[in-house]
Amino acid sequence: DVKVTQSSRYLVKRTGEKVFLECVQDMDHENMFWYRQDPGLGLRLIYFSYDVKMKEKGDIPEGYSVSREKKERFSLILESASTNQTSMYLCASTGPGQGYEQYFGPGTRLTVT
Amino acid sequence: GENVEQHPSTLSVQEGDSAVIKCTYSDSASNYFPWYKQELGKRPQLIIDIRSNVGEKKDQRIAVTLNKTAKHFSLHITETQPEDSAVYFCAASSWDSNYQLIWGAGTKLIIKP
Repeated sequence: DVKVTQSSRYLVKRTGEKVFLECVQDMDHENMFWYRQDPGLGLRLIYFSYDVKMKEKGDIPEGYSVSREKKERFSLILESASTNQTSMYLCASTGPGQGYEQYFGPGTRLTVT
Repeated sequence: GENVEQHPSTLSVQEGDSAVIKCTYSDSASNYFPWYKQELGKRPQLIIDIRSNVGEKKDQRIAVTLNKTAKHFSLHITETQPEDSAVYFCAASSWDSNYQLIWGAGTKLIIKP
């Protein structure tokens, strides 16, 4: 069974704080993704990575950065959190053995006050 | 780039009736079309997918149809049950996209008892 975990289920941060969200997968997947989910807007891709140290911008990268130092771990960084970054953040991973199926983590509900 | 539109945004059906959700895509190079189900408070999970060399695929009460000429695909759920209540997302991808999915905005399906 594929397992994707995220470091926190709920997080409350203040405006201007640096925020780290971590995602870990245990299936040796090459590809990992960070999404933001807001009501009525679906899943919007922030960044993705197709290999260690590789990253590509998604549709809404502004205000975010990512790090992939190890294959199993993909981190999302909010350099200076703002209230408009309050959202649900979902991580996903996939690999050649899974076809295109993306396996999601449980999500992190981030509130920036 | 690819764009996926999904309709309706909300669908309410009587238990036992059928439900149909429709998506259109813009990139003729897209060749993989999955559907994900997200129950309240849970992570999205793949329920069925179809590739461009197939026109229809069934799995018990759910089916997906693809019309490549018109660039649209649909999810059909027959004999709906309370556990079908969820948000459903369609997506599209092409072979050269590094497994990136382009998502529809989602359909909230409500099953009325």
